[in-house]
Amino acid sequence: DTEVTQTPKHLVMGMTNKKSLKCEQHMGHRAMYWYKQKAKKPPELMFVYSYEKLSINESVPSRFSPECPNSSLLNLHLHALQPEDSALYLCASSQDGGSGANVLTFGAGSRLTVL
Amino acid sequence: GENVEQHPSTLSVQEGDSAVIKCTYSDSASNYFPWYKQELGKRPQLIIDIRSNVGEKKDQRIAVTLNKTAKHFSLHITETQPEDSAVYFCAAPPGYDYKLSFGAGTTVTVRA
Repeated sequence: DTEVTQTPKHLVMGMTNKKSLKCEQHMGHRAMYWYKQKAKKPPELMFVYSYEKLSINESVPSRFSPECPNSSLLNLHLHALQPEDSALYLCASSQDGGSGANVLTFGAGSRLTVL
Repeated sequence: GENVEQHPSTLSVQEGDSAVIKCTYSDSASNYFPWYKQELGKRPQLIIDIRSNVGEKKDQRIAVTLNKTAKHFSLHITETQPEDSAVYFCAAPPGYDYKLSFGAGTTVTVRA
């Protein structure tokens, strides 16, 4: 298995809802990432987990809460989002998290719309 | 942190012609330079990367060149085909950091 799988593909939520995005990989990668991507822009790093520990939080608002239950799974819990949070949320993984010099394998993304 | 600048922002080429995209970076300790391709509505995918111990790397119709002295690296696509139409992102990590800094992207359109 050489893929990163993300669910759901599309999500529409109101500003008072609580929802979660899920990401799974079975490549034995030890680093997992959440990126946010707006249309026609590069991916922006949100969080990095390395060996199941949160190693980077790029000053992301607390309405986004990451969770790494095990080395294969990564969740992003969403609560009280704003319309400007509407974007494509990409999960990625890499073999290790020791540096930025790692090949990233991206999932297909979850397209989030906040009403 | 690392600052990566990418040019041009858009590039239109005739099928069969070559396309060149250039990126400059700021951190002289950077040692890894990947290129990602993102087709419309799809995920970014690595197409080629180069490490600082080599000056050029080729994979069929694509190549990347690196000039460490000038701190720039370029993507070259030869004999372009319609399926090369996509957004291309260069990236570079700072010398000792997890964070991969992406360039702003180049939208390449191959005209039939």
